[in-house]
Amino acid sequence: GDSVTQMEGPVTLSEEACLTINCTYTATGYPSLFWYVQYPGEGLQLLLKATKADDKGSNKGFEATYRKETTSFHLEKGSVQVSDSAVYFCALRLNTGGFKTIFGAGTRLFVKA
Amino acid sequence: GAVVSQHPSWVICKSGTSVKIECRSLDFQATTMFWYRQFPKQSLMLMATSNEGSKATYEQGVEKDKFLINHASLTLSTLTVTSAHPEDSSFYICSARPGVAGSTEAFFGQGTRLTVV
Repeated sequence: GDSVTQMEGPVTLSEEACLTINCTYTATGYPSLFWYVQYPGEGLQLLLKATKADDKGSNKGFEATYRKETTSFHLEKGSVQVSDSAVYFCALRLNTGGFKTIFGAGTRLFVKA
Repeated sequence: GAVVSQHPSWVICKSGTSVKIECRSLDFQATTMFWYRQFPKQSLMLMATSNEGSKATYEQGVEKDKFLINHASLTLSTLTVTSAHPEDSSFYICSARPGVAGSTEAFFGQGTRLTVV
């Protein structure tokens, strides 16, 4: 079935370090791919998205490229800040049959000053 | 961007009582709304999909008689946890999909933290 696998956390980085959170997916058809961020005690916020192969989503210094050949959508940021500490969810949304969103397990990021 | 509002943000209730959570799309009409449940430090699990004016479709393993979903209008869906027990304590999040042809976007509410004591 359709699924999303992302690297386990927690990930602990120092401020200004580079971040990569790996995400791979399994899906029938051609889903849209998303990264969501959840700050402590809050709901989900859309961070970025890509709707077709080779699209690059970007926002707030974060980037991810939809790689169909490797079925991946890795999240990257060149220089993290303490305020980036949160849980990051990779997700796919099927473009047919109800448009369900399927989430990865989430990766908790801690950024130290 | 489009706004989805959940109410209440948090609620504490006694075992055996029922709790209703509202999910409203504030500036768009939502033909489809989704309800998710998130346990501490875990991912979001889809509970059910509701379409305006019809019965909700529940995911496998979700008790439809315990988690009553009503989607009576294009801007409001409700989730009622009936006869709540401590194991129902969780974070519940809704999302809403605009009724625009070809739209696959979905917008999330801020979540409702339910604690059953």
